[in-house]
Amino acid sequence: GAGVSQSPSNKVTEKGKDVELRCDPISGHTALYWYRQSLGQGLEFLIYFQGNSAPDKSGLPSDRFSAERTGGSVSTLTIQRTQQEDSAVYLCASTFGPYSNEQFFGPGTRLTVL
Amino acid sequence: AQTVTQSQPEMSVQEAETVTLSCTYDTSENNYYLFWYKQPPSRQMILVIRQEAYKQQNATENRFSVNFQKAAKSFSLKISDSQLGDTAMYFCAFMPYNTDKLIFGTGTRLQVFP
Repeated sequence: GAGVSQSPSNKVTEKGKDVELRCDPISGHTALYWYRQSLGQGLEFLIYFQGNSAPDKSGLPSDRFSAERTGGSVSTLTIQRTQQEDSAVYLCASTFGPYSNEQFFGPGTRLTVL
Repeated sequence: AQTVTQSQPEMSVQEAETVTLSCTYDTSENNYYLFWYKQPPSRQMILVIRQEAYKQQNATENRFSVNFQKAAKSFSLKISDSQLGDTAMYFCAFMPYNTDKLIFGTGTRLQVFP
């Protein structure tokens, strides 16, 4: 596709369940980011993938959060044992490569934990 | 710590008028990028304008321009001839040269009314 896509668009889950959020970056983009946007807040960095390098996981809020990127393209963000405070919009972005400062964002996944 | 502050949670402007959104940041870095992103109700973040810190000339993109004051660590966005389609959340963001992480402010909700 022409842009970054994310699925699902909305996800409602019960507390304690696991969820997987998917991001398809722009074709040819080697860098991929995940952000979390809580209500009324700015975007909070979660994790960054660049090519085959080890991901920068410094923004993950707890060990319930993990992400992987298969084949240098699609990425999945997994939240285990979801809590109500995990409710937020999760945004994915991609860029051409390191230090390419324009990040292209997807439409996000709105996660609601009941 | 590097931080970005947007002190105006909400702003409103009449169509065709001019509005200025404020942003200040705190960093000890000398080289960095600054950005303004727009987030309409569709949630997709769109890059509005960017500024490189070493450039003294203020960036301009059509109706959007910035007032970059490096010494004051200020980076305001001016929207001229406001249009109804400018209604959105606006986020100011900062990125040091040697990293790929964007640091966002908490956003300003702009309402353009007829």
